[in-house]
Amino acid sequence: NAGVTQTPKFRVLKTGQSMTLLCAQDMNHEYMYWYRQDPGMGLRLIHYSVGEGTTAKGEVPDGYNVSRLKKQNFLLGLESAAPSQTSVYFCASSERQGRKLFFGSGTQLSVL
Amino acid sequence: LAKTTQPISMDSYEGQEVNITCSHNNIATNDYITWYQQFPSQGPRFIIQGYKTKVTNEVASLFIPADRKSSTLSLPRVSLSDTAVYYCLVGDPYGGATNKLIFGTGTLLAVQP
Repeated sequence: NAGVTQTPKFRVLKTGQSMTLLCAQDMNHEYMYWYRQDPGMGLRLIHYSVGEGTTAKGEVPDGYNVSRLKKQNFLLGLESAAPSQTSVYFCASSERQGRKLFFGSGTQLSVL
Repeated sequence: LAKTTQPISMDSYEGQEVNITCSHNNIATNDYITWYQQFPSQGPRFIIQGYKTKVTNEVASLFIPADRKSSTLSLPRVSLSDTAVYYCLVGDPYGGATNKLIFGTGTLLAVQP
């Protein structure tokens, strides 16, 4: 099993450009999450999903949109990238509420 | 939002036992307490999880007092490879649903020879 896979691993955008980060999990987990981590800081929750077709806001949702059309995939979109969105983005999934999270290896995003 | 508090950093030497405490005054009744380890340029990795009292696995122990307002991660006989950031994670009791898994500030553990 691959676990949680994030694509791409690296991306450079210009201010105002859009992009989508893809997270895929093969563990049949119900819950999926997107976090961002800025240098020297902890992880902050952007959006999460409790099942296929559902999404909800986390701590820092502004400037991001998400979709969970299929159970195994959780997409994070940036409609108009800003330099403040330069960060490392981590996707995670879990089988049940409050239980063990499995993380992907991260996407390094730079917005110039 | 529920808040967790951990020491920003800790220093230790190889072979010592390390205890890292996390405060979580507003933990919800159904929440679990989970600890993660993160190395640079990697995603966090699960260490241990518990609900109350004591949990032990092959790498760590987790102590949770009866009031569950804090928890202590205990790493026995640390080595240089245990140098990492350790996060305490609990559910968010003010979010309507406890699926907003909020990470603590993290503790940077530096193990020296």
